[in-house]
Amino acid sequence: TQLLEQSPQFLSIQEGENLTVYCNSSSVFSSLQWYRQEPGEGPVLLVTVVTGGEVKKLKRLTFQFGDARKDSSLHITAAQPGDTGLYLCAGGGGGSNYKLTFGKGTLLTVNP
Amino acid sequence: NAGVTQTPKFRILKIGQSMTLQCTQDMNHNYMYWYRQDPGMGLKLIYYSVGAGITDKGEVPNGYNVSRSTTEDFPLRLELAAPSQTSVYFCASSPLRVGTEAFFGQGTRLTVV
Repeated sequence: TQLLEQSPQFLSIQEGENLTVYCNSSSVFSSLQWYRQEPGEGPVLLVTVVTGGEVKKLKRLTFQFGDARKDSSLHITAAQPGDTGLYLCAGGGGGSNYKLTFGKGTLLTVNP
Repeated sequence: NAGVTQTPKFRILKIGQSMTLQCTQDMNHNYMYWYRQDPGMGLKLIYYSVGAGITDKGEVPNGYNVSRSTTEDFPLRLELAAPSQTSVYFCASSPLRVGTEAFFGQGTRLTVV
């Protein structure tokens, strides 16, 4: 079973602060995705990373995939209240493994 | 664009009752998934399908059944509902390749009393 551990589980910060959340596994994934979920809604994809060492930027969000493709991080610069939500990482297997496995998520609250 | 549609949005079941959660997608995606999400937790995979006629178990399949007779539909059946099945259920679909975006429905909030 491929497990994804996310940390921290909860994070409450003030507007304007920077933060990093982590997603770690002992397994190798062919791809890793980050989703954001708001209350009462399904998760929505933010980014997919597929290459070890890959860095992707989405405005104030920076995503990194570890060299060994076992871990990833999400860094938010100058957080805003609109960034509040549950951030989930999800790993996709390779070959004949079609499962998309999710971590437990990081619940981020950005206070004005 | 409809995307992934789940029905119903809310349901209360009594212990021992059965029901089917409906999921349909109009994007012609081969991959479909059923997840459950408990408070403070991430998504746990119940069942998934890689195409019509093909289904397989995820992490937590006990107490559930699925079928995939068409590309569009992937219903989840709960037999003999138990309080432990109280959760929010999400259906998702994605194109053929793993690593492409999974599109989620809005969820079904199920309470078993």
